[in-house]
Amino acid sequence: AQSVTQPDIHITVSEGASLELRCNYSYGATPYLFWYVQSPGQGLQLLLKYFSGDTLVQGIKGFEAEFKRSQSSFNLRKPSVHWSDAAEYFCAVGANQAGTALIFGKGTTLSVSS
Amino acid sequence: EPEVTQTPSHQVTQMGQEVILRCVPISNHLYFYWYRQILGQKVEFLVSFYNNEISEKSEIFDDQFSVERPDGSNFTLKIRSTKLEDSAMYFCASSEGARVAQHFGDGTRLSIL
Repeated sequence: AQSVTQPDIHITVSEGASLELRCNYSYGATPYLFWYVQSPGQGLQLLLKYFSGDTLVQGIKGFEAEFKRSQSSFNLRKPSVHWSDAAEYFCAVGANQAGTALIFGKGTTLSVSS
Repeated sequence: EPEVTQTPSHQVTQMGQEVILRCVPISNHLYFYWYRQILGQKVEFLVSFYNNEISEKSEIFDDQFSVERPDGSNFTLKIRSTKLEDSAMYFCASSEGARVAQHFGDGTRLSIL
C-alpha cells in the first residue's frame, strides 16, 4: 500500500540557518508528490509539486524539493529560514492511477529560534 | 487568488445528530474532495467527487457519510448519526483535474459532544 513517512516530528532551526525536511514514500508506480504547509488555524497551502521532468522543483516562499527515485525521497529544503516559516509541513503522494486521493505523512512541526 | 471556502469554521454537535459541512470550491475546478484530520494524526482522504458522482472513496467513508453538490457552487459533506470519534478537522479541496494540485480550504473543526 502507498505510504508517506516523515521521520522528524519536530525540528527547531535558528533563523537564517538552512532547513531540510525529510520525506520518504512508498508507491509502486511513478509518483506525483507534494509539499503542503499549515499555519495554526489555517488550511493546507501548496508549497510545491513534482509530477515529472526536472527532479529539483522550485516552490513558493523560497522552498525547493528534490525527487530522488533511488532513495524514494522528496526532501524539502530552504537555504535561509525566516521566523514566519514556523508551521507544520506535510508531504503527500498521489495515491492511485485515477489521481484523486492524496496520502499524507504525519507532518513535521518546524520551530524557528531567534 | 481564488480560494476554497468552508463553513462553518467550528461546528459543535450532539452525538447521534446529523451534521452538514459546507464548501465552496474554486469556481473553474472540476474535482472536489473531503479529507479529515483527527487531532494529532495525519490528514486522511475521505472521498473525491467528479461529474456529479463519487470518483473514489476510502474505507473511512462508510454509509454514515454522503456528499452532494446541490447547486453549481456548493459541495457538502453530510455525516449521519455522529459519533464521538467523528470529532476532527474536515478539509475540503478542489482541483482543475485529476493528478494535479489540490487546493484546500481552512477546514471545519467538528466537535461531537
